[in-house]
Amino acid sequence: LAKTTQPISMDSYEGQEVNITCSHNNIATNDYITWYQQFPSQGPRFIIQGYKTKVTNEVASLFIPADRKSSTLSLPRVSLSDTAVYYCLVGDMNSGGYQKVTFGIGTKLQVIP
Amino acid sequence: GAVVSQHPSWVICKSGTSVKIECRSLDFQATTMFWYRQFPKQSLMLMATSNEGSKATYEQGVEKDKFLINHASLTLSTLTVTSAHPEDSSFYICSAREAEQYFGPGTRLTVT
Repeated sequence: LAKTTQPISMDSYEGQEVNITCSHNNIATNDYITWYQQFPSQGPRFIIQGYKTKVTNEVASLFIPADRKSSTLSLPRVSLSDTAVYYCLVGDMNSGGYQKVTFGIGTKLQVIP
Repeated sequence: GAVVSQHPSWVICKSGTSVKIECRSLDFQATTMFWYRQFPKQSLMLMATSNEGSKATYEQGVEKDKFLINHASLTLSTLTVTSAHPEDSSFYICSAREAEQYFGPGTRLTVT
């Protein structure tokens, strides 16, 4: 099972772009990379998922280098409402490997006015 | 996206009583659901995997007789905390998979 490592916390000013990098050195061939956002006393919310290269949706971009040993979640122009904990998860979509993925501590992003 | 609901959103019970938490997938069927527990300022810890029509699979260190899981249908899984104690006070979150894994809003359990 691929273990992930993220910075424990990050601060950013409103309007800036925030990049959170996750290391997953032993990612397996079938593993996808998924990022979740969690506000206090709420369940995690899906942000974005990718396998390789770059993925973009309406809220974020995910950059994955060719060796897939890391990934970077990019949040453009953050606002105060983006203050949350962000989790990077790695798992095999097809075999249901996500249920065995251990959540890391996550990255607590604090957006400053 | 898919929606997973939980009920109740919060509950307070007395020590020694049992509490049931429901997890429902509202617009999709889920043969597998998952139960997590999260203590303050900590990450989510997987407790068990709930399988429709069969016994749940518990993670190491989780007491199956204390945390009873019943996956009665393709849209409903329940977690019953039996003989609850103050140390069981936590935030319980369920999830279910469709294309991605969707999480419920969580249930705050406080045992007095």
